[in-house]
Amino acid sequence: GAGVSQSPSNKVTEKGKDVELRCDPISGHTALYWYRQSLGQGLEFLIYFQGNSAPDKSGLPSDRFSAERTGGSVSTLTIQRTQQEDSAVYLCASSLVGGEAFFGQGTRLTVV
Amino acid sequence: AQSVSQHNHHVILSEAASLELGCNYSYGGTVNLFWYVQYPGQHLQLLLKYFSGDPLVKGIKGFEAEFIKSKFSFNLRKPSVQWSDTAEYFCAVTDSGAGSYQLTFGKGTKLSVIP
Repeated sequence: GAGVSQSPSNKVTEKGKDVELRCDPISGHTALYWYRQSLGQGLEFLIYFQGNSAPDKSGLPSDRFSAERTGGSVSTLTIQRTQQEDSAVYLCASSLVGGEAFFGQGTRLTVV
Repeated sequence: AQSVSQHNHHVILSEAASLELGCNYSYGGTVNLFWYVQYPGQHLQLLLKYFSGDPLVKGIKGFEAEFIKSKFSFNLRKPSVQWSDTAEYFCAVTDSGAGSYQLTFGKGTKLSVIP
């Protein structure tokens, strides 16, 4: 596709359940980012993938969060045993190395 | 690691007022600089970027930013704001210092323009 695609666009889940969020980056973009945006909290960095390098996981808030990027393309962010404080918009972005990041529309996660 | 500071959390202006939003990054080296904008209910989009050359960069919708290397700054300006500029603005930096070119964002500045 022409842009970064995220799915689902909205997800409501019960506390304690696991969720998977998907990101399809722009073809050819080697860099991929996950961010979290909570109301009034700005952009919170989660994880960064760059080519075949080890990902920078320094932003993941707990060991309940994990992400993988298969074949240098699609990425999945997994949140295990969701908590209410995990409710936020999860944003994915991709870029060429050092270049402009293109953002997806985000996945709005609501934990009830 | 690189960090980005946006000093204003929320700015409120009347239409036709001039705008300047501050952005400072933590250390030098070779940097690429960006301003992104997020209009209410929309996704983040690029406003302007600086890679090299003329430190005064012009972007969309009349915005411009000036890169001042000695001050580690990349402030965003607009001579006359409109109600439609109401949005949240994010400054971002990539640097090659660690070899990763990882994009680092500031916390954002919310701009409210009063008609």
